[in-house]
Amino acid sequence: DSGVTQTPKHLITATGQRVTLRCSPRSGDLSVYWYQQSLDQGLQFLIQYYNGEERAKGNILERFSAQQFPDLHSELNLSSLELGDSALYFCASAGGGGANEQFFGPGTRLTVL
Amino acid sequence: AQKVTQAQTEISVVEKEDVTLDCVYETRDTTYYLFWYKQPPSGELVFLIRRNSFDEQNEISGRYSWNFQKSTSSFNFTITASQVVDSAVYFCALNLYTGANSKLTFGKGITLSVRP
Repeated sequence: DSGVTQTPKHLITATGQRVTLRCSPRSGDLSVYWYQQSLDQGLQFLIQYYNGEERAKGNILERFSAQQFPDLHSELNLSSLELGDSALYFCASAGGGGANEQFFGPGTRLTVL
Repeated sequence: AQKVTQAQTEISVVEKEDVTLDCVYETRDTTYYLFWYKQPPSGELVFLIRRNSFDEQNEISGRYSWNFQKSTSSFNFTITASQVVDSAVYFCALNLYTGANSKLTFGKGITLSVRP
């Protein structure tokens, strides 16, 4: 158990809908990262937050947004969903930046029908 | 931009064989960190090791060992006397040291199957 929690574990929804994925980092970790894992794209970095502020952005679509709250939990919002958004979404946390290993949550499997 | 290449996509071995998973990386930065993660069939990503760019010492942890060579930009992972429980997808990843800003760049992963 990495200490990072993600909810829900599975999510099935329809095209055009909006969903919210939630992540609670390990106790004491200030950085939260979101990654998308799909068969064709592999593991792709989406976005990083550090102590409530956005710090790094990857290949995140404009339809996707995220935030980190004062209690350090984070939410990833996916809107106008398309079939291609079906993937495993991971949240990871770390104590700081690049020097620290990231610990991953169990992931949320999103299926868009 | 940084890049991680795991040229092997699938490896199948019989239990107790040794197996080496290759990882080659590209970056122009002089300070960076390399990682290996394991993704078993259950799906979670498990951290295995971190190595910084200034430490080229090989590391051994039980049946696992890692060989970091800056001259060839490689960070290879060897499992000695493999076991069925080692069956998983293994990812090599690179992170630049940019203070609090960072992101992991992953390779495509290597699927290791260990047969009894």
